[in-house]
Amino acid sequence: DSGVTQTPKHLITATGQRVTLRCSPRSGDLSVYWYQQSLDQGLQFLIQYYNGEERAKGNILERFSAQQFPDLHSELNLSSLELGDSALYFCASSVDIGSGEQYFGPGTRLTVT
Amino acid sequence: GIQVEQSPPDLILQEGANSTLRCNFSDSVNNLQWFHQNPWGQLINLFYIPSGTKQNGRLSATTVATERYSLLYISSSQTTDSGVYFCAVGLFGNEKLTFGTGTRLTIIP
Repeated sequence: DSGVTQTPKHLITATGQRVTLRCSPRSGDLSVYWYQQSLDQGLQFLIQYYNGEERAKGNILERFSAQQFPDLHSELNLSSLELGDSALYFCASSVDIGSGEQYFGPGTRLTVT
Repeated sequence: GIQVEQSPPDLILQEGANSTLRCNFSDSVNNLQWFHQNPWGQLINLFYIPSGTKQNGRLSATTVATERYSLLYISSSQTTDSGVYFCAVGLFGNEKLTFGTGTRLTIIP
């Protein structure tokens, strides 16, 4: 158990819908990362937050957004869902920025039908 | 961006065998991690090893940062070692991890 929690574990929804994925980092970790694992793109970085502020953006679609709350949990919002958004979404956390090990949550498996 | 290449892409071994997985990267890194993704999809941290050598039970890893590669050694393989092994790297001043395409390891009883 990494100490990072993600909910829900599985999500099945229809095209065009909107979903919210939730992540709680390890106790004391200030930095949260979101990654997407799809069959065709592999594991890709989406976005990073540090202590409530957006720090870095990767290949995140405009239909996707995220935020980190004062209690440091984070949410990833996916809207206008398409079939190609079906993937495993991971959240990771680390103590600080600059360097350091990232710990991954169990992931949320999203299926868009 | 940085390139991360893992080899071999697939490996099938008998239980009890030893294996070496390789990760090559194209730039100087500040972070290098090895993960095992089990059949249920979970990413398990194996090593945080931007340089040097570490051992944890039957697993060990070595990163030679100056030559831009890392090796993961698995000894006396067990069926529970099956899954995909990923190497991921991070650059100085950029904490995001860039993942390799993985090595799929299958251990046959």
